[in-house]
Amino acid sequence: AQSVTQPDIHITVSEGASLELRCNYSYGATPYLFWYVQSPGQGLQLLLKYFSGDTLVQGIKGFEAEFKRSQSSFNLRKPSVHWSDAAEYFCAVRTYGQNFVFGPGTRLSVLP
Amino acid sequence: NAGVTQTPKFQVLKTGQSMTLQCAQDMNHNSMYWYRQDPGMGLRLIYYSASEGTTDKGEVPNGYNVSRLNKREFSLRLESAAPSQTSVYFCASRESPAYEQYFGPGTRLTVT
Repeated sequence: AQSVTQPDIHITVSEGASLELRCNYSYGATPYLFWYVQSPGQGLQLLLKYFSGDTLVQGIKGFEAEFKRSQSSFNLRKPSVHWSDAAEYFCAVRTYGQNFVFGPGTRLSVLP
Repeated sequence: NAGVTQTPKFQVLKTGQSMTLQCAQDMNHNSMYWYRQDPGMGLRLIYYSASEGTTDKGEVPNGYNVSRLNKREFSLRLESAAPSQTSVYFCASRESPAYEQYFGPGTRLTVT
C-alpha cells in the first residue's frame, strides 16, 4: 500500500535559521507530490507541487522542495524562517485515480 | 470567490445523534472529497466524488454517508454519531487535469 512518512513530529528552529522538513513516500511509479501548510484553526493551503520535469520546485512564501527518486523523498526547505511560518506541514502523494495519501504532519515552532 | 466553504464550523453531538456537514465550492471543480483529521494521523479520506452523480468510498467510510447534490455541493452525513467520530472534518475540491486539492476551513466535531 502507498504510504507517506514524515519522520519529524515536531521541529523547533530560530527565526532566520534554515529549515528542512523531511518526507518519504512508498510508491512504485513516479507519484504526484505536494506540500501543504496548515495554520492553527485553518484549512490546508498548497505550498508547492511536483508532477514532472525539474526536480527542484519553487513554491509560495519562499519555500522549495526537491524530488529525489533514488531516495523516494520530497523534502521541503526554506533558507530563512520567519515567525509566521509556524504551522503544521503536510506532505501528500497522489498515486492513481483519486487516491491521495497524506503524511502525519510536522509541526514547526519558531523561536524569536 | 469564496473557494470551498463548510458549515458548521463547530458542532457537539451526543452519541446516537445524526447530523449533516455541508460543503460547497464555487470553482466549478469536478471532484470533491471529505477527509477527517486526527492528531498524528494526517488526513484520511472518507468519501470522494469524482464528478456530479458519482461517489466512492475512501480509506475510512464506515459510519458515514455522502451526497453529491449538484456540482457545487457535497454533504457528509453521520447517521448515528459515535465518540470515535470526534475529529476535524475537511472538505476539498479539485479540477482535473490540475491535481492539487483546495480545502475548506474545516468543521470541528465532538461526540460525547
